[in-house]
Amino acid sequence: TQLLEQSPQFLSIQEGENLTVYCNSSSVFSSLQWYRQEPGEGPVLLVTVVTGGEVKKLKRLTFQFGDARKDSSLHITAAQPGDTGLYLCAGHPSRGTSYGKLTFGQGTILTVHP
Amino acid sequence: GAVVSQHPSRVICKSGTSVKIECRSLDFQATTMFWYRQFPKQSLMLMATSNEGSKATYEQGVEKDKFLINHASLTLSTLTVTSAHPEDSSFYICSARRRDRASEQYFGPGTRLTVT
Repeated sequence: TQLLEQSPQFLSIQEGENLTVYCNSSSVFSSLQWYRQEPGEGPVLLVTVVTGGEVKKLKRLTFQFGDARKDSSLHITAAQPGDTGLYLCAGHPSRGTSYGKLTFGQGTILTVHP
Repeated sequence: GAVVSQHPSRVICKSGTSVKIECRSLDFQATTMFWYRQFPKQSLMLMATSNEGSKATYEQGVEKDKFLINHASLTLSTLTVTSAHPEDSSFYICSARRRDRASEQYFGPGTRLTVT
C-alpha cells in the first residue's frame, strides 16, 4: 500500500487551463514537499509546507496543506507548456516505520499542449 | 541555494563490472544522504539512507552487498553497484538533508546507468 496517494497519475491539458493535483494519506506528516522533475534530471524542490492549513503561492502555483496535515494539493492556474513535467509530492511521516524518511507519492505526469 | 551534484551523469558498463557513483553537497553540510532508484515515468524508490561516519541503512529488498554505500564526510556519499547486471540499469538519484533544515532534502541531477 502507498503511504501517499497522489492523483491523478496522468494529466493532459491545453494551455490556459487550470488543474489540481492531490496528495492524500491516512497518516500525519510533519512536513510535506512538492517537487517538479524533468526527464533525465533530479527532482527540484518547489515548496515545503509544515503547518496545518498552510497555503503557499509560487507565481501561478498554489500549494495547500490540509488542516490535519494528512493531505495536500497543488493548483496551477493558466497552465503553460513550460509547466510540463513530473510532479511529486513527498512528506516526512510523523510516526511509524517510515518516520524520518521522505516518502513519495506515485507522481503526476503533466503535459500541457500549446 | 542548496546544490547537490552527482558524478557521473551517465555511465555504460559491461555486465559483471562495478560502477561507483558520487554524490556531493556543494554548499552545505549534509548529515544524511539518501539514494533512490527511479524507473521511467515512475516515482522515486528509496534504496538506502546514509549517515556520515556510520553504516548505511538499507530498505527492505535492497541487497547491501550489491549496492555498497560509503558516507565518508558531511559532503560526500558514494554508491557502488557491484557485479552489475542489465537489470540494474536505471536512473539513480541521491539527495542530501541539510544539517540546519532537517525537513528539506535537495536532490542531485541523477545518474543514468546502463549495463550491457
